[in-house]
Amino acid sequence: GAGVSQSPSNKVTEKGKDVELRCDPISGHTALYWYRQSLGQGLEFLIYFQGNSAPDKSGLPSDRFSAERTGGSVSTLTIQRTQQEDSAVYLCASSLEGTAWVPYEQYFGPGTRLTVT
Amino acid sequence: AQSVTQLDSQVPVFEEAPVELRCNYSSSVSVYLFWYVQYPNQGLQLLLKYLSGSTLVKSINGFEAEFNKSQTSFHLRKPSVHISDTAEYFCAVSDLNTDKLIFGTGTRLQVFP
Repeated sequence: GAGVSQSPSNKVTEKGKDVELRCDPISGHTALYWYRQSLGQGLEFLIYFQGNSAPDKSGLPSDRFSAERTGGSVSTLTIQRTQQEDSAVYLCASSLEGTAWVPYEQYFGPGTRLTVT
Repeated sequence: AQSVTQLDSQVPVFEEAPVELRCNYSSSVSVYLFWYVQYPNQGLQLLLKYLSGSTLVKSINGFEAEFNKSQTSFHLRKPSVHISDTAEYFCAVSDLNTDKLIFGTGTRLQVFP
């Protein structure tokens, strides 16, 4: 079956512009995560959607970052007024909704490489 | 707060040699532990995980990791590496209350012929 897909695969934008990154999770997966992979910072958690619960936004680096998940499926990560330090690969992952005893495997998409010039 | 430390940013090794990639974690609560692998130009894939039970877990391609609670470690080992094992390896933890993963900075394993 289809895996997690992300678009665009590459995005080059000018400093100060807004960007939207899209994630299509695996069908039936109720949990969705965004991570950022950058040089020197490794992989950082950004935000987590789980079913109908309020999202865990604890990893968002600033108020320029926001994300939404429409209809419990597709998610969009928005970065406003981009800065050069936002340049990174943004990864999306999805999973079935785990329990305290059984966390389900997260399946990662190929990522969106964002370059801010 | 939880954290993961991967002490080696790069590990060069010759083919058929053994390898150990080190991972230490810090947490005040029980955790689940994972190793993810990222092959060149590919996405992250789960390699193996420790949830409970036997402290030694194995992957299908010959890697194994042992959970050591007293040393807060989850080192990854393979007795004989192959060229195709060249990749970046990430250790991660999640706690019992959330499913978000906290990753280490990664170890690049380079296998030479």
